[in-house]
Amino acid sequence: SQQGEEDPQALSIQEGENATMNCSYKTSINNLQWYRQNSGRGLVHLILIRSNEREKHSGRLRVTLDTSKKSSSLLITASRAADTASYFCATDPSDQAGTALIFGKGTTLSVSS
Amino acid sequence: DSGVTQTPKHLITATGQRVTLRCSPRSGDLSVYWYQQSLDQGLQFLIQYYNGEERAKGNILERFSAQQFPDLHSELNLSSLELGDSALYFCASKRDGEKLFFGSGTQLSVL
Repeated sequence: SQQGEEDPQALSIQEGENATMNCSYKTSINNLQWYRQNSGRGLVHLILIRSNEREKHSGRLRVTLDTSKKSSSLLITASRAADTASYFCATDPSDQAGTALIFGKGTTLSVSS
Repeated sequence: DSGVTQTPKHLITATGQRVTLRCSPRSGDLSVYWYQQSLDQGLQFLIQYYNGEERAKGNILERFSAQQFPDLHSELNLSSLELGDSALYFCASKRDGEKLFFGSGTQLSVL
């Protein structure tokens, strides 16, 4: 079953613009992670934010987490054509012992030059 | 390169057949996860092994089974294949941390 739901499903922007993707989830979590997938390739971990953190930065990435609203956002600043990919949020549920990361269906980002 | 190796990269087979997908985790990683990715269902967790033992089960069909061997490589067996089993199957591994390292996947096409 899907835990995270990303919004929007697809996003098209120009190089240099910022891209914001949102993720909503349903249950309590230990942490929330964002992954990137280039077309037909494996997923690559981008950033992890723990349930007691509100914001985290890594290079051009900024992630926020609002546990009261069960939502997270991923901001990519100054987008480049190479950022074109699908982005997935994944939650580590804290109320389900013995389960794995649960992924959303992703946001497909297209950055044109 | 994530360090996780999956073979084969592509597999084309017919309905009713059985196939085996293989995964070698990163050196030293004890946990192996299998995920299925399809357009309509997204990325679905199938099963997890830790050091040879089944640790967690997700949306894995009874026609599917997996195991992890003493050298920590894992195999996912898919039998009585149906058209709907066509998907990208990923293996991922991790050591002690929380993030997963994914292989490049096996694209399964059932005709």
